[in-house]
Amino acid sequence: DAGVIQSPRHEVTEMGQEVTLRCKPISGHNSLFWYRQTMMRGLELLIYFNNNVPIDDSGMPEDRFSAKMPNASFSTLKIQPSEPRDSAVYFCASSKDSLNTEAFFGQGTRLTVV
Amino acid sequence: AQKITQTQPGMFVQEKEAVTLDCTYDTSDPSYGLFWYKQPSSGEMIFLIYQGSYDQQNATEGRYSLNFQKARKSANLVISASQLGDSAMYFCAMSRIITGNQFYFGTGTSLTVIP
Repeated sequence: DAGVIQSPRHEVTEMGQEVTLRCKPISGHNSLFWYRQTMMRGLELLIYFNNNVPIDDSGMPEDRFSAKMPNASFSTLKIQPSEPRDSAVYFCASSKDSLNTEAFFGQGTRLTVV
Repeated sequence: AQKITQTQPGMFVQEKEAVTLDCTYDTSDPSYGLFWYKQPSSGEMIFLIYQGSYDQQNATEGRYSLNFQKARKSANLVISASQLGDSAMYFCAMSRIITGNQFYFGTGTSLTVIP
């Protein structure tokens, strides 16, 4: 398996623009996570899907952030409108529904909002 | 609420020495998993080692071992014979099954290996 695939790897956008981050989880994994990593806040869980259904979105910072998982092989995280403080590395991770299975992380998307 | 605590923001270790990175957790669940991840400067998150809450023996993976003390709710990572390539951020995480597998991460410890 190719692992969790995120695109793009890097994104530079202007404040106010819409940004869409994409994730393809590992086939057969039931859970999908979006994390945001910054120096100030560390690794924050934004939202978590199980079987394509959002289970916990309490970490989504504002209404500007939205996430979808239309099927088992694809998820998006959208920021509209983007702000400079959204600059961070965004990770997608997936896992099977088993305690002894780790979360597999994608390479991350480094977002810079100028 | 589930919580993972890593109290060492930064650690230094001499090359070839052993180092222990601390992790404590808080949960009332009877079953849970404990994990350690490494994040080098290149940014990827690398899984290192897993310990189940019912496992009697401490997990080991090469130079990594997990010192699991259930009563103290601690899951410290021990790296033996440190190498320069071990310099990285290290994250402790806990998983629980509610609706699917949920993961909780600590704030991380930055390890620097000194030649």
